[in-house]
Formats: sequence, C-alpha cells, structure tokens
Amino acid sequence: GDSVTQMEGPVTLSEEACLTINCTYTATGYPSLFWYVQYPGEGLQLLLKATKADDKGSNKGFEATYRKETTSFHLEKGSVQVSDSAVYFCALRGQTGANNLFFGTGTRLTVIP
Amino acid sequence: NAGVTQTPKFRVLKTGQSMTLLCAQDMNHEYMYWYRQDPGMGLRLIHYSVGEGTTAKGEVPDGYNVSRLKKQNFLLGLESAAPSQTSVYFCASSYSVGEQYFGPGTRLTVT
Repeated sequence: GDSVTQMEGPVTLSEEACLTINCTYTATGYPSLFWYVQYPGEGLQLLLKATKADDKGSNKGFEATYRKETTSFHLEKGSVQVSDSAVYFCALRGQTGANNLFFGTGTRLTVIP
Repeated sequence: NAGVTQTPKFRVLKTGQSMTLLCAQDMNHEYMYWYRQDPGMGLRLIHYSVGEGTTAKGEVPDGYNVSRLKKQNFLLGLESAAPSQTSVYFCASSYSVGEQYFGPGTRLTVT
C-alpha cells in the first residue's frame, strides 16, 4: 500500500543554518506529494506540493523536488529562522481513494537564535 | 470566514463514556475527514465523507462512528471510549481533489 517514510527528529539548528528533511515514499502509479507544517498548538497547514515527476514545490523559502527515480521528496531551506520552528509532515495522495492523504511520522524542527 | 473549526478543544473522558466531536467548515467543501495524531505515528485517517449523507472508513475506523447530515458539519462519535483512543483528533475539509484544510485539533484523554 501507499506509505511515506520520513526522517525522524528532532532536528535542532542554529538560525541561518541549512535544513534538509528527508522523505521517501512507496506508491503505485503517480502520487501527488506534499509537505505540511504544524506550528505549536495549531492544525496542519499546506507548505508546498508537487503533482508530477520533476516538479519543484516552493513556499516561504522552502523547496522540495519530486524525484520519481529515487521516490523522494526532500524538504530544503537554505537559511532557517526561529519562526520556522515547527513539526513538518511529508504526505502523499495516491491515485485511488477520495483525496486521502498518507502522512509520515513528522519531524520536529527547533531553530535557536 | 472561520475555515475549519472543532469543538471541543480539550476533553477528558472515563473509560466507557461516550462523546461526540464536532467539525464545522464554512468553505462549502464537499469532502471532510477525521484524523488522529499519535506520537511517532503521524496522522492516520479514521473516517471520511465525500458529500452530505455519505461516509466511508479510513485506515483506523474501529471504535468510531461518523455522520454527515449537513454539508458543513462532520461529527465523530465514540460510543464507549477506551484509553487507546487518547489522542489528538484533527478534522479537515477539501474540494474533491485539492488541498486539505485542517482544524486546530481536539485533545482527548481517556482515563
């Protein structure tokens, strides 16, 4: 079945450091891929998405490229800020089912000044 | 425009008690979802609905029931709560194939 494997945290970085959170997936066909972010005490918000191979999603300085050959969708940011501290979830939407999402376990990022 | 709202925000139940969680959305979305979030497990889909009057099982439906009597509301019921149902519950909604918008969550503790 469809599944997502995500780098476990927690991850602690200093402000302005580079961030990479690894995400790989297993799915039949051509899933859509997403990164969601959850700030403390809030629900999940869509950060970025990619719907086909080689697409690059980007938002708020974060980027992720849909790599079908390596079944990966790693999240990257060149210079993190304290306000980026949150839990990040990788997710996929398969080609079957009613827009159902399969989530990774989440990676907690803490950025220190 | 409130988006997706959930009631209540927190609840403590004793084993065997029942309760209903309410999710409401004002975006005229057709699809609605209930997830649970547990440490180290990400979010897992409990039940979902693709329209008023329809519901379907997700990944972890046992011990829960749902109803979608109105398009804007999606109710999640626990008939006989168990400690294993201690979790944070998130509701979400979307157009048919589109971004899911999440509510702020309900933290439920079953003792």
